[in-house]
Amino acid sequence: NAGVTQTPKFRILKIGQSMTLQCAQDMNHNYMYWYRQDPGMGLKLIYYSVGAGITDKGEVPNGYNVSRSTTEDFPLRLELAAPSQTSVYFCATSPGLGRLTYNEQFFGPGTRLTVL
Amino acid sequence: GENVEQHPSTLSVQEGDSAVIKCTYSDSASNYFPWYKQELGKRPQLIIDIRSNVGEKKDQRIAVTLNKTAKHFSLHITETQPEDSAVYFCAASQNSGYALNFGKGTSLLVTP
Repeated sequence: NAGVTQTPKFRILKIGQSMTLQCAQDMNHNYMYWYRQDPGMGLKLIYYSVGAGITDKGEVPNGYNVSRSTTEDFPLRLELAAPSQTSVYFCATSPGLGRLTYNEQFFGPGTRLTVL
Repeated sequence: GENVEQHPSTLSVQEGDSAVIKCTYSDSASNYFPWYKQELGKRPQLIIDIRSNVGEKKDQRIAVTLNKTAKHFSLHITETQPEDSAVYFCAASQNSGYALNFGKGTSLLVTP
């Protein structure tokens, strides 16, 4: 099993460009999350989803959008990239309600994004 | 919302010594407290967690304690080894979506 995968691993964007960060999981987890990690800081929640078709904002959602059409995929869309979005982005999953370890989170390898 | 404070921000110990990292949280509704280890350039990895109905949990050289009344929890690493060197993050989670609120991390250096 691949677990949680993210693509791309690295990306450089110009100001104003758009892109989609991909996240996929084969763990059959219901809950998925997007975090960003700035240097020397903890992770901050951007968006999360408790199941296909359901998404909700986290602490820092401005400048981002998400969709969840399947259990396996949870892409993060950046519109009009800005230098403040330079960060490392981590996708994570957890089993969700009804599972014994319902809120244990497992992280993908991350995408390092630079906006110039 | 939840606010998680983590101390110290850096910690240097000699191999074989113990290391303790402390976190406080603000929301009494938080009920799940994991600890993650992140090596340079890698993803955070869950190393131990504790739920609000338990006061202490141990797994070999690592242990976590929780004081719900004081709203703080701690990570204890005994007999530290150089491979324990990493950034450690504490986090707290409520029921809503189970999203984690992270502390800012502690950079642990274990010198031989």
